[in-house]
Amino acid sequence: EPEVTQTPSHQVTQMGQEVILRCVPISNHLYFYWYRQILGQKVEFLVSFYNNEISEKSEIFDDQFSVERPDGSNFTLKIRSTKLEDSAMYFCASRASREGGEQFFGPGTRLTVL
Amino acid sequence: RKEVEQDPGPFNVPEGATVAFNCTYSNSASQSFFWYRQDCRKEPKLLMSVYSSGNEDGRFTAQLNRASQYISLLIRDSKLSDSATYLCVVNTNAGKSTFGDGTTLTVKP
Repeated sequence: EPEVTQTPSHQVTQMGQEVILRCVPISNHLYFYWYRQILGQKVEFLVSFYNNEISEKSEIFDDQFSVERPDGSNFTLKIRSTKLEDSAMYFCASRASREGGEQFFGPGTRLTVL
Repeated sequence: RKEVEQDPGPFNVPEGATVAFNCTYSNSASQSFFWYRQDCRKEPKLLMSVYSSGNEDGRFTAQLNRASQYISLLIRDSKLSDSATYLCVVNTNAGKSTFGDGTTLTVKP
């Protein structure tokens, strides 16, 4: 069964460093998403991406964040200068079509900023 | 007001009980609706989509009332394995997904 994969599973970084979280969505999917979940809190939408551009982003997704689909398979989230409060689980998701349809989530990357 | 509001929970029920979760959403332009389940420290997984006509999948029944902007999930004959956090998810046409805070269910023997 096809699945979304994410690497690394756990990333530890120093405050102020840049991190890149990687995702490989399901191969025939067209819509891609990043979410974050701070420990003990709700899942929060960060950004959606379609046709090589951002289609929606939340107020959390400020200038320190960027997304890219550098090739036909990877979808990355870059955090330019990490803050302590960026520590969270980051989930990537993909969907075949825009309306309806299930979003398939990856297993997440746990980011710890020290 | 939160965009998606769920019962605060937690719900602690015995095996075999019937439990109902409620969810309301504020954006009348919302297009699609889902219940996801999330186990501790795992990714959310789709439990069921929610349709206006209501839909059932085994012990699970979901209902949508667009006029009231209300979604529900009913679990009958609950099992120990149903213990999880249940997330109400609302999508807009523009591709944004909004999650509720989640309602935690613990089913006890």
